[in-house]
Amino acid sequence: DQQVKQNSPSLSVQEGRISILNCDYTNSMFDYFLWYKKYPAEGPTFLISISSIKDKNEDGRFTVFLNKSAKHLSLHIVPSQPGDSAVYFCAAGSSNTGKLIFGQGTTLQVKP
Amino acid sequence: KAGVTQTPRYLIKTRGQQVTLSCSPISGHRSVSWYQQTPGQGLQFLFEYFSETQRNKGNFPGRFSGRQFSNSRSEMNVSTLELGDSALYLCASSWTGSGTQYFGPGTRLLVL
Repeated sequence: DQQVKQNSPSLSVQEGRISILNCDYTNSMFDYFLWYKKYPAEGPTFLISISSIKDKNEDGRFTVFLNKSAKHLSLHIVPSQPGDSAVYFCAAGSSNTGKLIFGQGTTLQVKP
Repeated sequence: KAGVTQTPRYLIKTRGQQVTLSCSPISGHRSVSWYQQTPGQGLQFLFEYFSETQRNKGNFPGRFSGRQFSNSRSEMNVSTLELGDSALYLCASSWTGSGTQYFGPGTRLLVL
């Protein structure tokens, strides 16, 4: 039972263009969502989060959108840079636990 | 402020042995969660400790255990190691368990 899904294993974009990474979830009990960036053999680095009471959160080049009715969130990176190339994980949690459920990750490649 | 630290960074063990991994959270954080990352299963939640008490547990066998000390430092132990326990073990800390979790660099365990 995969409660958080990232259906695109990989994404390739040109430098300067927009990168859109998608994530779907099934559990209505999730009330916050996060995006992490990860390099091999390193721990995930926190990028941005959003509470279920919001539909958008922006931090510099990163914007996360949440569509609760569709149980869908997305991460937009504008403009994309070669240094953004990494694996991106979405994660979901409930406020009464310290447990995050992760998607399988999407490998982003930004070409110069 | 120092980030989450994990020791050791790399470990090689043989089947049947046991192993103890250590995690020091960000100063002031009282919640420590542990995750296992493998190529096939992705990032999976092991357990969470808050104020020296295990608050949540994932779907792992009893060979996986942990504890938290009064200074919030945490250890996880795996007994009777199996080949399938080879993975990157990550710990993450947060203020209360809800919200953003910050990850350490991980401990790479190889079981031969």
